[in-house]
Amino acid sequence: DTGVSQDPRHKITKRGQNVTFRCDPISEHNRLYWYRQTLGQGPEFLTYFQNEAQLEKSRLLSDRFSAERPKGSFSTLEIQRTEQGDSAMYLCASSSPPRTNTEAFFGQGTRLTVV
Amino acid sequence: DAKTTQPTSMDCAEGRAANLPCNHSTISGNEYVYWYRQIHSQGPQYIIHGLKNNETNEMASLIITEDRKSSTLILPHATLRDTAVYYCIVRVAGVGTYKYIFGTGTRLKVLA
Repeated sequence: DTGVSQDPRHKITKRGQNVTFRCDPISEHNRLYWYRQTLGQGPEFLTYFQNEAQLEKSRLLSDRFSAERPKGSFSTLEIQRTEQGDSAMYLCASSSPPRTNTEAFFGQGTRLTVV
Repeated sequence: DAKTTQPTSMDCAEGRAANLPCNHSTISGNEYVYWYRQIHSQGPQYIIHGLKNNETNEMASLIITEDRKSSTLILPHATLRDTAVYYCIVRVAGVGTYKYIFGTGTRLKVLA
């Protein structure tokens, strides 16, 4: 198991274009999280899934953002009509069902630059 | 909103212990304290977590005060590779699971 995998690692797009990121969690993990991190700030929670169900969405997740996890395995995060303010690192994390010793494992992130 | 406050930055001499403080005065009784670190341009890396007892693993020790309103992460022998941003997190209950809410972290610089 190579951990949480994110693709692509870097994405440059023009303002107004749509982009989609993919996250492959650790195989037995049924919880999957998306975070956004801007320069100099800590990661901000966006949304999470339990299996294929999206259980909670942050108010940061505007209607231009949509996340899916169709079969409870990999997840995608799509941003429509990108804006310069969307430039950030998008991080994915996964965890097993919460127990005392559960921790979330993060991927290396996708760095989005909107020009 | 983050439930933790940390100093913005700290320096530590190589080979010495690095003690990183964190305040979490509004923590609830069943909320865990987690520590992660982030080296430039990488994803956050898990270090350690605890509820009320002190914890130790191969990376670090976590000291939680008896009232649970603050904690200290200890890196016993800091190396240059420990230079990173360290996040103290309170894991809070969400809908159906838990959420990890990050603050702005402490930028630790280990000096040769």
